[in-house]
Amino acid sequence: GAGVSQSPSNKVTEKGKDVELRCDPISGHTALYWYRQSLGQGLEFLIYFQGNSAPDKSGLPSDRFSAERTGGSVSTLTIQRTQQEDSAVYLCATSGGSSYNEQFFGPGTRLTVL
Amino acid sequence: AQRVTQPEKLLSVFKGAPVELKCNYSYSGSPELFWYVQYSRQRLQLLLRHISRESIKGFTADLNKGETSFHLKKPFAQEEDSAMYYCALSPTQGGSEKLVFGKGTKLTVNP
Repeated sequence: GAGVSQSPSNKVTEKGKDVELRCDPISGHTALYWYRQSLGQGLEFLIYFQGNSAPDKSGLPSDRFSAERTGGSVSTLTIQRTQQEDSAVYLCATSGGSSYNEQFFGPGTRLTVL
Repeated sequence: AQRVTQPEKLLSVFKGAPVELKCNYSYSGSPELFWYVQYSRQRLQLLLRHISRESIKGFTADLNKGETSFHLKKPFAQEEDSAMYYCALSPTQGGSEKLVFGKGTKLTVNP
């Protein structure tokens, strides 16, 4: 079956612009996570969704970052007024169903802020 | 605070040699521990988790609560084991089941 998909795979933007990153989860997975993978920082948790609600937003680095999930499915991570330090690979992972607690990762979106 | 430490950024061994990737954690409760692997040009995937107590691709990892460690071991490394390895912790309290990752160890197995 299809795994987690993310789009775009690469995004280059100018400092100060807004960007939207999309995650399509594995069908039936109720939990969805966003992580950021950057040089020197490793993988950092950003936000967790259970269904459409986000009980844990503790990893969002600033109020420029927001995320939503609709219909318990697709999620969008939005970064407003991008800064160069936002450059990273943004990973989405989902879990649920029979593989409880195993997180399945998408291929990531590589964001470059010039 | 929850923290995962992987002290080696890079680890290089020869094919057939034993390999151990170190992982130490800090967590006040009883965590769930995982090893994730990322092969070149592939996505991050689960290698093994401590509650399963299984061996995957010849790798094993034992949770040592006294030493707060979860080292990954393989007795005879293979070239195809070359990859980036991440140790991760999932807090069992709080309900989010997010993963807290170490910074990773890049393993290179030389022929």
